[in-house]
Amino acid sequence: SAVISQKPSRDICQRGTSLTIQCQVDSQVTMMFWYRQQPGQSLTLIATANQGSEATYESGFVIDKFPISRPNLTFSTLTVSNMSPEDSSIYLCSVRQGALTDTQYFGPGTRLTVL
Amino acid sequence: EDKVVQSPLSLVVHEGDTVTLNCSYEVTNFRSLLWYKQEKKAPTFLFMLTSSGIEKKSGRLSSILDKKELFSILNITATQTGDSAIYLCAVALGGSEKLVFGKGTKLTVNP
Repeated sequence: SAVISQKPSRDICQRGTSLTIQCQVDSQVTMMFWYRQQPGQSLTLIATANQGSEATYESGFVIDKFPISRPNLTFSTLTVSNMSPEDSSIYLCSVRQGALTDTQYFGPGTRLTVL
Repeated sequence: EDKVVQSPLSLVVHEGDTVTLNCSYEVTNFRSLLWYKQEKKAPTFLFMLTSSGIEKKSGRLSSILDKKELFSILNITATQTGDSAIYLCAVALGGSEKLVFGKGTKLTVNP
């Protein structure tokens, strides 16, 4: 499976600021995704990062709050904008390596705390 | 609304015990079911199941899917302290890239 890295691994931020999380994969992948895991909750898909075009957002998530870029097949960023304490979560990127499998592999995650 | 429900939510056992984790689902367009182990932050992939009745096995872990009754189980035999983790069940939906996750079962294995 692909090796996925995320930066930063954790951060503590002030209310009203923005944070950009990077996800790097060691090989080209067809699909990249961003998930959120709020404390005590399961994983929720934020959006599918599309290479060279706008991300596809799930219900309840909007581009102004969570802008996503995917400039190539190995890299994506998620920005959490105008943060509030409710944005404190683990943010995870995942990848899928082909159209014939549903298996997604996850990066190590970013633990975000907003004060 | 697509739903994945895991039980129990938490479980405490002693090393050497055998455990069974349950996952039931109610979704509009089922394609496959996946199990992950989450220690700290990153979920790691365990199994993907698409067909009923075919057991998947990896060492002390095994899993099976029942598409008629809409559930799956994950068995862990001869548990070790290193099995302590949250076990997540997810369903892949047809016509979508989405995985719908359950809330997980927190397994604690005491020495």
